[in-house]
Amino acid sequence: GQNIDQPTEMTATEGAIVQINCTYQTSGFNGLFWYQQHAGEAPTFLSYNVLDGLEEKGRFSSFLSRSKGYSYLLLKELQMKDSASYLCAVERSNYQLIWGAGTKLIIKP
Amino acid sequence: SQTIHQWPATLVQPVGSPLSLECTVEGTSNPNLYWYRQAAGRGLQLLFYSVGIGQISSEVPQNLSASRPQDRQFILSSKKLLLSDSGFYLCAWSEEGAGSYEQFFGPGTRLTVL
Repeated sequence: GQNIDQPTEMTATEGAIVQINCTYQTSGFNGLFWYQQHAGEAPTFLSYNVLDGLEEKGRFSSFLSRSKGYSYLLLKELQMKDSASYLCAVERSNYQLIWGAGTKLIIKP
Repeated sequence: SQTIHQWPATLVQPVGSPLSLECTVEGTSNPNLYWYRQAAGRGLQLLFYSVGIGQISSEVPQNLSASRPQDRQFILSSKKLLLSDSGFYLCAWSEEGAGSYEQFFGPGTRLTVL
């Protein structure tokens, strides 16, 4: 079956660093996406990992280990506007994405 | 540049009534199109995807249907809504062809079935 696990909710402090983990078991794997979704809005693209390792993009970085079925999203220098849900999605070997339930990140001053 | 439109933004419908949600994409040709549903606090559930006019693949058997009458138009329909159809419906598009393409989402329609 298809399974993607993320923590339901995390809390962090403004200016700090937070790591959001995602583990997956899927039939077929092309790559892994991270999306950000603010409450009541559509998801927006953050990153895409195909190969093992760390991809850095400004304050956000994403890591992938295909052998372990594991990824994480690292957010540095947290800002209040980073309060949102972060969705992990695995691209299967066709057109489809399998989505995790998302991690709600709460940033406190 | 490409844009994706969805309407209506919100909808309240009684159980048993029909449904029609429309999605259009501008600025690209032959996109892959997707309909997702997101229940409160849940992940995105893929309902339908289409790789071309008249080509619809269904992921989850249910009382919903989809159609693609034009290249950049994707419609989600139901003849009789159920309470369980309530949710946030998102249309998305990606570049033509199979591959690792980012999906771009429309603003969504929040449907409440009473």
